[in-house]
Amino acid sequence: GEDVEQSLFLSVREGDSSVINCTYTDSSSTYLYWYKQEPGAGLQLLTYIFSNMDMKQDQRLTVLLNKKDKHLSLRIADTQTGDSAIYFCAENSGTYKYIFGTGTRLKVLA
Amino acid sequence: DTEVTQTPKHLVMGMTNKKSLKCEQHMGHRAMYWYKQKAKKPPELMFVYSYEKLSINESVPSRFSPECPNSSLLNLHLHALQPEDSALYLCASSSPQGKRTGELFFGEGSRLTVL
Repeated sequence: GEDVEQSLFLSVREGDSSVINCTYTDSSSTYLYWYKQEPGAGLQLLTYIFSNMDMKQDQRLTVLLNKKDKHLSLRIADTQTGDSAIYFCAENSGTYKYIFGTGTRLKVLA
Repeated sequence: DTEVTQTPKHLVMGMTNKKSLKCEQHMGHRAMYWYKQKAKKPPELMFVYSYEKLSINESVPSRFSPECPNSSLLNLHLHALQPEDSALYLCASSSPQGKRTGELFFGEGSRLTVL
């Protein structure tokens, strides 16, 4: 099957770094994405990485990709209360079907 | 403009009603999607339109009827829904380029409650 696994919940203190992990299954995935969803809202694209890269940095966000282990992570530096949300990873192999992870709820404590 | 606009934001309907959800994008994207999302779950793909033609139907019950009047608009017609159809319905679009499907851009969703 095509299961993309994420840990359910992460709690961090404001100002600390957060690391959200994702394990995907489709080795042919060419693009991997991170989305943020706040309560009652749609999914907001945060960043994405092409499968021939192992790292991408975008301001406070760092994405690491380990293709051998099919492991993707999102690090948020200096986490703020506004970062509290559900984070979904997603994989795509060039079709119209994106496989979303189970989602990680991030709670930032002031 | 990286916006996908969905209306209405909230909809309450009875099981015998007919209603429609609407989605609009002006990014020139040629693929448009409907997803259904239950609470605390990832989005589930329902339909994909590519260049205004239905490309994917994920075995969705016929009480959901998609329509793509033009490259900017996507509708989802609802008829004789069940209470278990209550969910957040998300529209998305992407810009296919060669072998690349492109990033999905989502709307804010339409929260549907079926009584």
